[in-house]
Amino acid sequence: DAKTTQPTSMDCAEGRAANLPCNHSTISGNEYVYWYRQIHSQGPQYIIHGLKNNETNEMASLIITEDRKSSTLILPHATLRDTAVYYCIVRVGRSNTGKLIFGQGTTLQVKP
Amino acid sequence: NAGVTQTPKFRVLKTGQSMTLLCAQDMNHEYMYWYRQDPGMGLRLIHYSVGEGTTAKGEVPDGYNVSRLKKQNFLLGLESAAPSQTSVYFCASSYSGGHPGYTFGSGTRLTVV
Repeated sequence: DAKTTQPTSMDCAEGRAANLPCNHSTISGNEYVYWYRQIHSQGPQYIIHGLKNNETNEMASLIITEDRKSSTLILPHATLRDTAVYYCIVRVGRSNTGKLIFGQGTTLQVKP
Repeated sequence: NAGVTQTPKFRVLKTGQSMTLLCAQDMNHEYMYWYRQDPGMGLRLIHYSVGEGTTAKGEVPDGYNVSRLKKQNFLLGLESAAPSQTSVYFCASSYSGGHPGYTFGSGTRLTVV
């Protein structure tokens, strides 16, 4: 699985867009980018995933650069409840083991 | 539809005691996983299962055993608890291959004194 690099922490004003970057320069052609978040000691929550194209769902948007070496998770209108640790994970879509390896993630603090 | 249910939610053990953590999922998922999370750290994979009757080691398997006798249940056992096993334990499940996403339980907070 490709290694990812995320900033340790970020702040965002409530109501503004939160843009969380992730670098994955060694990503392979068959590897997806997955995003999860963990709100204060709860179990992590799946947010979104993508391979090449930009993706959007009810929670967030995922922008993947054309060379696929980096991506950005966008929370369009951050609320205080979006304060969490966000994990960017890169791996093949359907692996034999299905394992997810979590890094340290980005702690997003949404401020009033 | 409960998703992934972990029992118990909290437990205090004395060093040397044994216990079993239960994870149950009602989504007919093939794959199940046990993670631990220590303060200020990310999640680390202990053991996982790719189907009923199968188990495999993850990153930090020492001191733990698992069983997957039924598709919907994944048990994590501590035979002789140590203070180093004080942690929050999360169970998760997914469809085959772990795609597109996992569903996690709410965690078990274990303290070994």
